[in-house]
This record gives sequence, structure tokens and C-alpha cells, in this order.
Amino acid sequence: GAVVSQHPSWVICKSGTSVKIECRSLDFQATTMFWYRQFPKQSLMLMATSNEGSKATYEQGVEKDKFLINHASLTLSTLTVTSAHPEDSSFYICSARWADTGELFFGEGSRLTVL
Amino acid sequence: SQQGEEDPQALSIQEGENATMNCSYKTSINNLQWYRQNSGRGLVHLILIRSNEREKHSGRLRVTLDTSKKSSSLLITASRAADTASYFCATITGGGNKLTFGTGTQLKVEL
Repeated sequence: GAVVSQHPSWVICKSGTSVKIECRSLDFQATTMFWYRQFPKQSLMLMATSNEGSKATYEQGVEKDKFLINHASLTLSTLTVTSAHPEDSSFYICSARWADTGELFFGEGSRLTVL
Repeated sequence: SQQGEEDPQALSIQEGENATMNCSYKTSINNLQWYRQNSGRGLVHLILIRSNEREKHSGRLRVTLDTSKKSSSLLITASRAADTASYFCATITGGGNKLTFGTGTQLKVEL
């Protein structure tokens, strides 16, 4: 099956630093990628939708300048958490829509801990 | 915002028993999907049921859909310890582009 790779799988950083998380579709082209955030024992909350070559569409309440999303190619989207603070600590999951079939595939998630 | 609410929030059963999880949603849908998430991992797609279907089976999974009540259920028969995970229903919203998840059910299957 199609594989979506997220990197890093976990990261610990100091407050005030920026962290970049990559989401790659390994064996298919993804026209659209989605970024979710998940707090412990809670559901996934959609943060933004990114389309290759255009600006991301953010959900209400998600700060664009805080969570920078770049979808530079059909196989790569990045999420940068800028000036991270402890409240940004969370599990971030991406999903990619296969251009050919419209199916969605999820990455394994990236756990961010901000000290 | 959550499209779906699931109940129970948590379910603990013995191996071999059946587990039933329910999902209610708010808006009209084309299909409803169920996903599984092991602790600290990504999501695995389990099954999709279309709005014109009432029931669907896949192995030990049985999904029902009642569009008049805007609800769906996931039944796992003859549960195993390896079924321990969180289960989420999800629907497509935002003009057919966004997948929105329910609140989830944490299932624990004990030996």
C-alpha cells in the first residue's frame, strides 16, 4: 500500500525555537496534504489543508504565522512550528491524498515536546 | 470542530467478547469511514461505508449506517488483545475535501 513518511517521529526542543516536521508520500503523488494535531486521549483536529504550489488553507483558530506550511512538491509538505512554546507540545499527524485515486494515507505522526 | 461524537469514550472487554462502538454525526455525508489508531501511532483505515449502504462487513468488522439518525456503529467480533486501540469515525466535510474525525473510543481488550 501507499506509504506516508513523517520525520522526525519525535522531537524535543527548547521554548522559543522553531521546529520543522516533514511529510513525504513515498510512492505516490499527493495533490493535497492535511495536517492534524492531537492532544493526549483526544481526537485529531484538522489544522490546515495544503495543496502543491499554493498557499495552505488554515482552519479557524489556527495561527498561520505560528504554523507555517509549505507544500513545495507533489511528494513533500512541511509544517514549521515557529517560536514553539510548551502549549505547542502535541502529536502532529499528516495525511496525503493520492492524486490518482483520491484515497487518504496517514503518516505515523510526530511527537513534539517543548520544554 | 468535531463532526462526530462517539460513545462510549472508553470500553474495556475480555478477549473473545464483541465490542460495539457508536458514532453520531451532524451533516449529510457521502460516506463514513472508520479508522484505528494504536497508542502514539498513525491512523489505519479500516472500512468505508457509503451513504446508500446500510451494512458492510470486513473480516471481524461489521459497520452499520443509519442516515436517518445520522449514526453509525462499528462491531468487532471475537475481540483479541491486539485489537486494543482507539477507534475513530470520520466523514468528509468542507465540500468534499476535508476528513473530520469523531471524538473516538478507546478500546481495551484484556486477556
